[in-house]
Amino acid sequence: GEDVEQSLFLSVREGDSSVINCTYTDSSSTYLYWYKQEPGAGLQLLTYIFSNMDMKQDQRLTVLLNKKDKHLSLRIADTQTGDSAIYFCAERTPSNDYKLSFGAGTTVTVRA
Amino acid sequence: DTGVSQNPRHKITKRGQNVTFRCDPISEHNRLYWYRQTLGQGPEFLTYFQNEAQLEKSRLLSDRFSAERPKGSFSTLEIQRTEQGDSAMYLCASSLDPRDTEAFFGQGTRLTVV
Repeated sequence: GEDVEQSLFLSVREGDSSVINCTYTDSSSTYLYWYKQEPGAGLQLLTYIFSNMDMKQDQRLTVLLNKKDKHLSLRIADTQTGDSAIYFCAERTPSNDYKLSFGAGTTVTVRA
Repeated sequence: DTGVSQNPRHKITKRGQNVTFRCDPISEHNRLYWYRQTLGQGPEFLTYFQNEAQLEKSRLLSDRFSAERPKGSFSTLEIQRTEQGDSAMYLCASSLDPRDTEAFFGQGTRLTVV
């Protein structure tokens, strides 16, 4: 079973912003991650945030963390066709000896 | 160092055969993880190593599965008497230290059992 939950699908027009949401359950989560997976490939780390932060920005990516609601979001500005992929939210906690626990993934489709 | 390397990339095998996958982590990375990913799901933890010691095995890892990391460098994952339900992508990841921020993943080995 998954302690990390995500919406399954997102369709966005090229040039618009994408927002992918995630909820997690472990309040002691130390690190929260976003990974990207293209068809047939492994996982590419996009960005991460420490649980003592509220926001992190990295070029087109903005991560927002609401610790009270255990809610994490990833915003992709100016979405491009190359952003079409599956995006996974993951948490990593000392209580779980730093193993990664993943959500089921959000499939993002960028349409022209 | 070019990152985490997994071989083979694809494996098709007949039900009942044994298969072995290899993972070469990034040099000097102490932690090595194995995950399994089935279609439409996120990766699920299988097992992990700290150097050569196997620290934990998930209940997903039946006794047909065995993993080793004999010298604390590369690791192998063997599946005996494969079943169709074993068809999945097997992913390996490594990190320098348990608390290291980043865990780097390989490209995975896609297993198809026919």
